[in-house]
Amino acid sequence: AQKVTQAQTEISVVEKEDVTLDCVYETRDTTYYLFWYKQPPSGELVFLIRRNSFDEQNEISGRYSWNFQKSTSSFNFTITASQVVDSAVYFCALSNFALIYNQGGKLIFGQGTELSVKP
Amino acid sequence: NAGVTQTPKFQVLKTGQSMTLQCAQDMNHNSMYWYRQDPGMGLRLIYYSASEGTTDKGEVPNGYNVSRLNKREFSLRLESAAPSQTSVYFCASDFRDSYTGELFFGEGSRLTVL
Repeated sequence: AQKVTQAQTEISVVEKEDVTLDCVYETRDTTYYLFWYKQPPSGELVFLIRRNSFDEQNEISGRYSWNFQKSTSSFNFTITASQVVDSAVYFCALSNFALIYNQGGKLIFGQGTELSVKP
Repeated sequence: NAGVTQTPKFQVLKTGQSMTLQCAQDMNHNSMYWYRQDPGMGLRLIYYSASEGTTDKGEVPNGYNVSRLNKREFSLRLESAAPSQTSVYFCASDFRDSYTGELFFGEGSRLTVL
């Protein structure tokens, strides 16, 4: 069975602090994809990143970085120098390779982590 | 750029009433999805349509029906609403054949069943 766990329900930081959102996943598949989505207060979900199981290189995009470690089944998300605009619910999600190319967006989502960045 | 449009955005129903959530996308996507979001449970897939003319059950299909009316539109129907169906519903779409992992979501429909 596939499962995504985001153990941190809520995180509160002060602006300019660094913050890491944890994501642990379970899957028996050898090929799979991991995702992060952002849900700002307006409610829509915004795609942030996709990472496949073949590629364990960390990725950086501006103040955002992602650390993928297959050994610990984790795909953590770090925001450096957080800003008030980063306040949102962040979801980690998982899908396997076959599903991706046959059935598209059947993603397994984690419970979400609500990040509050205070000025 | 409309993207994915859902209607209505808010709805209050009484137990046993029926309603249909409408979803339309203007991005020529093949696949469309209905998810529900509940506190502490993330998003769970209700039904999906991999292409026009096909629909399949997701993780939590009980109590729902769907119709892929054409390539653009995918509706979700509650035949006899129950309080357990109080949730925020999201429609999403993507290109199945050149999948990037980027689901495009609507703004959500908040449904309350009394």
